[in-house]
Amino acid sequence: DQQVKQNSPSLSVQEGRISILNCDYTNSMFDYFLWYKKYPAEGPTFLISISSIKDKNEDGRFTVFLNKSAKHLSLHIVPSQPGDSAVYFCAALSSRSGYALNFGKGTSLLVTP
Amino acid sequence: EAQVTQNPRYLITVTGKKLTVTCSQNMNHEYMSWYRQDPGLGLRQIYYSMNVEVTDKGDVPEGYKVSRKEKRNFPLILESPSPNQTSLYFCASSLTGAEQYFGPGTRLTVT
Repeated sequence: DQQVKQNSPSLSVQEGRISILNCDYTNSMFDYFLWYKKYPAEGPTFLISISSIKDKNEDGRFTVFLNKSAKHLSLHIVPSQPGDSAVYFCAALSSRSGYALNFGKGTSLLVTP
Repeated sequence: EAQVTQNPRYLITVTGKKLTVTCSQNMNHEYMSWYRQDPGLGLRQIYYSMNVEVTDKGDVPEGYKVSRKEKRNFPLILESPSPNQTSLYFCASSLTGAEQYFGPGTRLTVT
């Protein structure tokens, strides 16, 4: 059963605009959330994370928001650049369950010039 | 350079022929893990290891074995590969188990 869901398989955004990628989860035991970026023929690259005790974490152009009551998180990329075009995976884990990362199926982001 | 390496990167084999995919990290990480990626299913965890001699099953462990005899290495063993194990495999490591750093992937085809 998919515990982390990314309901948008793809997203297209113009360069300079904001990209918002969404993720929902079902397991209330998850206490740490991560976003990974993946280019074809490469392994996923860690992007940004957030602990369940926070509701926002920012790193340069990337911000992750966590809404625990809604079991929802989002990744904002501002401003979007063509080099951001990749597949983005949302992941969640429970520190009490062996740190097994549960991944969503990914959202393919295309940033057009 | 801090990295996770996997070998081989590409492998074509036949059903039933035992194979091992190696994974090595040079970051002195305690935690290591194996994932497979399949179209429409995303990344799924096969096995993980919290430390040397400590391994545990992930979501899809059937048909796989692992060992963790030393901190830097975490090989994935397919004793009798079958076509449904054709996939893209990733090894990952982490200092704490949270932020996991991935290797480049191994594309396995079992005919």
